[in-house]
Amino acid sequence: QSALTQPPSASGSPGQSVTISCTGTSSDVGGYDHVSWYQQHPGKAPKLMITEVNRRPSGVPDRFSGSKSGNTASLTVSGLQAEDEADYYCISYAGRSTYVFGTGTKVTVL
Amino acid sequence: QVHLVESGGGVVQPGRSLRLSCTASGFPFSNWNMHWVRQAPGKGLEWVAFIPIDGTGPFYADSARGRFTMSRDNSKNMVFLQMNSLRTDDTAVYYCTRDAWGPDYWGQGTLVTVSS
Repeated sequence: QSALTQPPSASGSPGQSVTISCTGTSSDVGGYDHVSWYQQHPGKAPKLMITEVNRRPSGVPDRFSGSKSGNTASLTVSGLQAEDEADYYCISYAGRSTYVFGTGTKVTVL
Repeated sequence: QVHLVESGGGVVQPGRSLRLSCTASGFPFSNWNMHWVRQAPGKGLEWVAFIPIDGTGPFYADSARGRFTMSRDNSKNMVFLQMNSLRTDDTAVYYCTRDAWGPDYWGQGTLVTVSS
């Protein structure tokens, strides 16, 4: 149950795009289409932004999108806004009813 | 709307036990699997445990297996996390979450501090 690998930080100017990667193995990210992404502001509970690799829950702006290729999933935030500055985490199903989170990425809006 | 409220956190000495509770509302609880997730101060999220709708399993992270027990009471819309042999590295905010092939809705969390 090793954590999925995310870059510690990412940044972009308002209006730009930022993409965060989430790298696992064939036993988790690569083996299942059950990858979700969460946004967490300081002192707050995480919020679901993307589920099932690329599905946006109701109410999540379409600036947020997800994808997956092989053992790596990605979250792209287009048209960055100040309120997008937060920590982002991925999670993947890892088989046998277990799950594993990513290491987390701090997104800074310059 | 979906509402999850955790309780039972506090300060406990190493080696002691603590039982966390989570009360759910706003959805048909008995139809949904549930998770516990934790976050140590200043650290990332860590998946802890998962329980299916019928309470079978449950399933644990390596860090929790053998010390933590997750259970549920569908008649009371509650899930629980019994934590035994607590260690200082169990210090964290513990979140109760609903499952949709991964957590979807989250509670606000309850802080557990393991310290002598």
